[in-house]
Amino acid sequence: SQTIHQWPATLVQPVGSPLSLECTVEGTSNPNLYWYRQAAGRGLQLLFYSVGIGQISSEVPQNLSASRPQDRQFILSSKKLLLSDSGFYLCAWSPWGDQPQHFGDGTRLSIL
Amino acid sequence: GQQVMQIPQYQHVQEGEDFTTYCNSSTTLSNIQWYKQRPGGHPVFLIQLVKSGEVKKQKRLTFQFGEAKKNSSLHITATQTTDVGTYFCAGGRDYGGSQGNLIFGKGTKLSVKP
Repeated sequence: SQTIHQWPATLVQPVGSPLSLECTVEGTSNPNLYWYRQAAGRGLQLLFYSVGIGQISSEVPQNLSASRPQDRQFILSSKKLLLSDSGFYLCAWSPWGDQPQHFGDGTRLSIL
Repeated sequence: GQQVMQIPQYQHVQEGEDFTTYCNSSTTLSNIQWYKQRPGGHPVFLIQLVKSGEVKKQKRLTFQFGEAKKNSSLHITATQTTDVGTYFCAGGRDYGGSQGNLIFGKGTKLSVKP
């Protein structure tokens, strides 16, 4: 069966520091991968999605970036975090575009 | 842009009462999906509806997909405290191959008073 791993579970970072969140999927090949951000009590904001290695689509202009160096690895990065980057970051995978997505446990990011 | 509207935003019910959340799209969907996010947790896929007019049941939960494949509803009969959470609908659009996408509604947050 397929599993998705996302870490760390919580992270506290100072403003201006870099960020790297990693997500890996097991048990499937060539999945679609997604990064979402969720503000407290709010909906899901799609940040990036990828349909293959090295292919990244950005949904929202921001100081975040994403990379997919391997088939089942998806990384969310920032060079300098802003206060507004605080939130709950969720990674998800699906077999292809309009099919059910399966989420990781998420990372709660607090910026001080 | 593409949107999937979901109402209500919040719903407070007494345990045992019924609950319904509605999802509407201005364009035809390839499928509709429903997810549940428990407080502090991540969204969990519940069900997918594909056919026009489709109705599916999971115990006390009934899911419907409209005839025009533009709207959907989730109905919970006799809510329990375990139903607490945010319910998201997600509409699918198929562009072929892996390029389709899923548009999430903003969710309905359900609270249940014991």
